[in-house]
Amino acid sequence: RKEVEQDPGPFNVPEGATVAFNCTYSNSASQSFFWYRQDCRKEPKLLMSVYSSGNEDGRFTAQLNRASQYISLLIRDSKLSDSATYLCVVNRGYIPTFGRGTSLIVHP
Amino acid sequence: NAGVTQTPKFQVLKTGQSMTLQCAQDMNHEYMSWYRQDPGMGLRLIHYSVGAGITDQGEVPNGYNVSRSTTEDFPLRLLSAAPSQTSVYFCASSYPRRERGNTGELFFGEGSRLTVL
Repeated sequence: RKEVEQDPGPFNVPEGATVAFNCTYSNSASQSFFWYRQDCRKEPKLLMSVYSSGNEDGRFTAQLNRASQYISLLIRDSKLSDSATYLCVVNRGYIPTFGRGTSLIVHP
Repeated sequence: NAGVTQTPKFQVLKTGQSMTLQCAQDMNHEYMSWYRQDPGMGLRLIHYSVGAGITDQGEVPNGYNVSRSTTEDFPLRLLSAAPSQTSVYFCASSYPRRERGNTGELFFGEGSRLTVL
């Protein structure tokens, strides 16, 4: 079983839709959690950190459920510019482990 | 702001050739790492370093060497290139998440696209 698992998608949604991605991780000793965004043929960039209390940044909301070992990302009011691959990242000490990514396509 | 700089951006090699991918960061980050990204495989860790003089293997280390003689530089060497090493390579660095104010964010270089014929 891969340490960090994501549904690869693609999720194909119209502009204005709300879309949610989940990510599960297998190592209960994992310490910190992130969502990264990667545009086609570009380097990944941090979208947001994920905290147990949940956190929100504009249209983006991230949640962590340590008991069930999953992380979620909710995107409200999707924009065309949200089209990208979203990578779930789980850190254990120094070492980040990446999920394979979930592809989002927002269409007009 | 230079951040993480990788060179070259593109390289074509013949099977059996050797080369070095360069990575430098100017943020005084302790942690540096190399990933390769292949279609459908996500980012896979090749080697990493938690400080000058310290390196360790990641998930897919075979065929690659690294060294960390300074905090700033973390070159990746391909000893004898094989077609299976055709990939996009990313270097990334961060502070470990030990001190207040450090987010643990990984900063990536722009990537090096390597083709081995």
